[in-house]
Amino acid sequence: DAGVIQSPRHEVTEMGQEVTLRCKPISGHDYLFWYRQTMMRGLELLIYFNNNVPIDDSGMPEDRFSAKMPNASFSTLKIQPSEPRDSAVYFCASTYGVSPLHFGNGTRLTVT
Amino acid sequence: AQSVAQPEDQVNVAEGNPLTVKCTYSVSGNPYLFWYVQYPNRGLQFLLKYITGDNLVKGSYGFEAEFNKSQTSFHLKKPSALVSDSALYFCAVSSSSGTYKYIFGTGTRLKVLA
Repeated sequence: DAGVIQSPRHEVTEMGQEVTLRCKPISGHDYLFWYRQTMMRGLELLIYFNNNVPIDDSGMPEDRFSAKMPNASFSTLKIQPSEPRDSAVYFCASTYGVSPLHFGNGTRLTVT
Repeated sequence: AQSVAQPEDQVNVAEGNPLTVKCTYSVSGNPYLFWYVQYPNRGLQFLLKYITGDNLVKGSYGFEAEFNKSQTSFHLKKPSALVSDSALYFCAVSSSSGTYKYIFGTGTRLKVLA
């Protein structure tokens, strides 16, 4: 079990550019969550999926943010266009039912 | 709506002393409660959970937590703190009603002083 795998670990981009964050959940898990962590706002739930279907995207801050899960082993979070206030650490987590979440090591995004 | 409150941004405790990190919650339905720990530049790691059963839950690294339904609390405890316990601790809640949406508190930084 390789755990939840996120890529890239670090991303530095300029304002206005498109950013794509990737996540591979643990095999067999049916829930996938995207969180954003900042000093000011803590750990915010952005969106989560069950069996590849988005269940709740009320935490997605703006239309600039979008997430997809085309199959059970892959998800993306896209920001287009990016802004400096999007700078944060983005975490992906997966689980099965009501079991504990397994987190990836996160992607640190810096938008200049 | 689900919510979690961690009222203390930071807790300082001397090594060897007992520690408590506080958490209160609000949910519809039965709560599923979790504690996680985060070390620098890492994702969150699971410590312990309450789903049902005994109100005192034991977890990893000597940590335990007590579920109190009347006070809607789930405080994290450890009888004797270690310097290596210094980290960021998060309480999380999900619920038996709805679709297992996990909400986290704002986190409490624990500092254990040698």
